[in-house]
Amino acid sequence: NAGVTQTPKFRVLKTGQSMTLLCAQDMNHEYMYWYRQDPGMGLRLIHYSVGEGTTAKGEVPDGYNVSRLKKQNFLLGLESAAPSQTSVYFCASSYSGQGRRYTFGSGTRLTVV
Amino acid sequence: AQKITQTQPGMFVQEKEAVTLDCTYDTSDQSYGLFWYKQPSSGEMIFLIYQGSYDEQNATEGRYSLNFQKARKSANLVISASQLGDSAMYFCAMREPSNSGYSTLTFGKGTMLLVSP
Repeated sequence: NAGVTQTPKFRVLKTGQSMTLLCAQDMNHEYMYWYRQDPGMGLRLIHYSVGEGTTAKGEVPDGYNVSRLKKQNFLLGLESAAPSQTSVYFCASSYSGQGRRYTFGSGTRLTVV
Repeated sequence: AQKITQTQPGMFVQEKEAVTLDCTYDTSDQSYGLFWYKQPSSGEMIFLIYQGSYDEQNATEGRYSLNFQKARKSANLVISASQLGDSAMYFCAMREPSNSGYSTLTFGKGTMLLVSP
């Protein structure tokens, strides 16, 4: 029972480089989310998806793109990384938007130098 | 304006004592949910307790209880009989409909709890 798996777990990027963070869930959840966590800021929603082929912007979407081509996968892309995107990224999923169960991945620590 | 406010950046408590972590929220919706998560130093997000806006009784999960005061828009977490393993960051979160109509989870900035022997 893997739940939500994030890859990679750690990554160091140079400014201007691009990368994709992968989130995979095996619970047949409809909703998936990408958050970033910065010291003193809590978790802030970047983008989310309410089903295969759909995405929507969250609180801090600038500089990121997402895709949900398959129900089980939610990809977060950084086209041109900036030091301000240094953060811990969490993916989460839920069966619906009204439930009480949100399953979180273990996080990806990204450093942009 | 913040939707979730946690006014205590840090809290200290002695082992075996009870501690209350404060959380106030702001919403105009009638249907919403309130959550508490624990984040130990290892980094994972651990679900602790949930309170629905229509739930009349305060939620309890083992040593955790949620003191829900709807009129005051507060959802404080009470940890009874603190243990050393309770030392962690604690986040309050609220589920409510976003502008798109779909519900998302909004987090507070967190409270760092340190339990001393």
